[in-house]
Amino acid sequence: GAVVSQHPSWVICKSGTSVKIECRSLDFQATTMFWYRQFPKQSLMLMATSNEGSKATYEQGVEKDKFLINHASLTLSTLTVTSAHPEDSSFYICSAPQGKDTQYFGPGTRLTVL
Amino acid sequence: DAKTTQPPSMDCAEGRAANLPCNHSTISGNEYVYWYRQIHSQGPQYIIHGLKNNETNEMASLIITEDRKSSTLILPHATLRDTAVYYCIVRVGGGNQGGKLIFGQGTELSVKP
Repeated sequence: GAVVSQHPSWVICKSGTSVKIECRSLDFQATTMFWYRQFPKQSLMLMATSNEGSKATYEQGVEKDKFLINHASLTLSTLTVTSAHPEDSSFYICSAPQGKDTQYFGPGTRLTVL
Repeated sequence: DAKTTQPPSMDCAEGRAANLPCNHSTISGNEYVYWYRQIHSQGPQYIIHGLKNNETNEMASLIITEDRKSSTLILPHATLRDTAVYYCIVRVGGGNQGGKLIFGQGTELSVKP
């Protein structure tokens, strides 16, 4: 099946710094990508929809100024966590749909903010 | 999108069939049933999806009741590697506009030797 990659796979940063996470569709183009966050022992929570060539659409309660999303090309979306704090520590996962019905997920990025 | 209800956990013996139920009593006529699974600390993996008819692929079978209010995912011969959280999701199919997936709590399947 199609492959979606994420980079980095894990990152540790100091409180107050910004962290960028990349999501790439390796063998297909994706005009839309999705970003999720998952805390330990919890389900995935959709954060936002990344749209190539236009602004991202954020879910209710997600701060757009804190979680900056840029869909730079048909194969790349980035999520930047600005001024990260310990409560932002989480597992961040992206996904991209291929075709009408199938969605492929990246392996996830584990962020730890000290 | 319609809400789903799944048991929080299930056990299955290795080599036996694992039958994972899902209730979606408020499903609409144009909503599909999707199944994904997430192995610990990995991204979710697509398994199967269907609208009305039963579906089968190399991973699993999906049985949807005639009234579409519930479905069952069947792993015919469960292995230890099938231990994961299984998510049943219903959403409008087709096109990126319907691509958003809303995850519930899922069923944690433990396959035991």
